[in-house]
Amino acid sequence: DAKTTQPPSMDCAEGRAANLPCNHSTISGNEYVYWYRQIHSQGPQYIIHGLKNNETNEMASLIITEDRKSSTLILPHATLRDTAVYYCIVRVAGSGAGSYQLTFGKGTKLSVIP
Amino acid sequence: DTEVTQTPKHLVMGMTNKKSLKCEQHMGHRAMYWYKQKAKKPPELMFVYSYEKLSINESVPSRFSPECPNSSLLNLHLHALQPEDSALYLCASRYQLTSAGTDTQYFGPGTRLTVL
Repeated sequence: DAKTTQPPSMDCAEGRAANLPCNHSTISGNEYVYWYRQIHSQGPQYIIHGLKNNETNEMASLIITEDRKSSTLILPHATLRDTAVYYCIVRVAGSGAGSYQLTFGKGTKLSVIP
Repeated sequence: DTEVTQTPKHLVMGMTNKKSLKCEQHMGHRAMYWYKQKAKKPPELMFVYSYEKLSINESVPSRFSPECPNSSLLNLHLHALQPEDSALYLCASRYQLTSAGTDTQYFGPGTRLTVL
């Protein structure tokens, strides 16, 4: 799986958009970009994933550059409950119930400030 | 029900004790995982079970012994642990999101283990 680089920490004012960057310059054509977050002392939580098109769901938007070497997770209106460590993970998809593990990097600690 | 449950929430054990961690999911997921997370570090994979068979063991010491009695249940048996094994132990199960094979993992809340 391709390696990712994220800033170790970011601050965001409550109510503003939080934009979390991720570099994955060695990504392969069949690798997807996944985002998870981990609120303090809880298990990680899936947020969103994408291959090359921008994606949006009820939690966030994912913007992937045209060359796919970087991406940005956008939380449109950050709240205090969004304070967490955000992990960007790049990996292949797979079928069936195979052993498709997640390899977590250090992630970005997002602090939402009142 | 999109929940992975883990018991106990907290566990304190001595180095000579034997204890077990339990993980349960009723979502029909056929791949389940154990991760270990030290403080201020990302989760690290320990074991993967696929269709109740151990498919990955990330060179975990034998004092950790996983067991998958059925498709809903995953145990982690602990024996003769060291203080450095104190960590948050997370269980997860894999859910396929799309026909292209993209997937997600549902994580439990973890068991906070302290070894004295």
